[in-house]
Amino acid sequence: EIVMTQSPATLSVSPGERATLSCRASQSVSSNLAWYQQKPGQAPRLLIYGASTRATGIPARFSGSGSGTEFTLTISSLQSEDFAVYYCQQYNNWPPTFGGGTKVEIK
Amino acid sequence: EVQLVQSGAEVKKPGESLKISCKGSGYSFTSYWIGWVRQMPGKGLEWMGIIYPGDSDTRYSPSFQGQVTISADKSISTAYLQWSSLKASDTAMYYCARDNTVTDDAFDIWGQGTMVTVSS
Repeated sequence: EIVMTQSPATLSVSPGERATLSCRASQSVSSNLAWYQQKPGQAPRLLIYGASTRATGIPARFSGSGSGTEFTLTISSLQSEDFAVYYCQQYNNWPPTFGGGTKVEIK
Repeated sequence: EVQLVQSGAEVKKPGESLKISCKGSGYSFTSYWIGWVRQMPGKGLEWMGIIYPGDSDTRYSPSFQGQVTISADKSISTAYLQWSSLKASDTAMYYCARDNTVTDDAFDIWGQGTMVTVSS
């Protein structure tokens, strides 16, 4: 099973600043990686798939990059609604696996 | 509108059985895999298994194989997750989600979640 490791566990950022979240796979997952956002009391929401493609309706301030074992989610200018927990997920190898999450909190 | 609507919260005792549901609407239910994801209180997401309602082909994560059963009734566009004997450690929020080949098999639509509490 591929282990997905996200860092940092918590990221404190001021509104308007850039946030950079990392996700590392224990072995290559090619570009078969997704990012999800989860707000308290809500279901996760798909942000990015294929490592870098924004899902329908996702603002351009969200961008994904990387391939193989190293991936990054960047939020260019944090808005109040972006404070949430973010999860990466690989779906290249069976079974699909999620990272432990990064909580983005207000600084 | 494409949506998945899950059944309501459940409170059960250890050893009891349970079946929760996930009803799809607004799309061809038989043409997309439906997955189940567990989220224990205060914890992250865990991928449990997936079913293709068109032919009921089902696959489980090794961590959940034998612990739960995933099924579907395509005539009513509903997928199910069931337990034959619940444990306290099954206490969690359970989400169903649609696997979409357009999004490279990422989960593009999620249900609202079903909270399962197992307590004596």
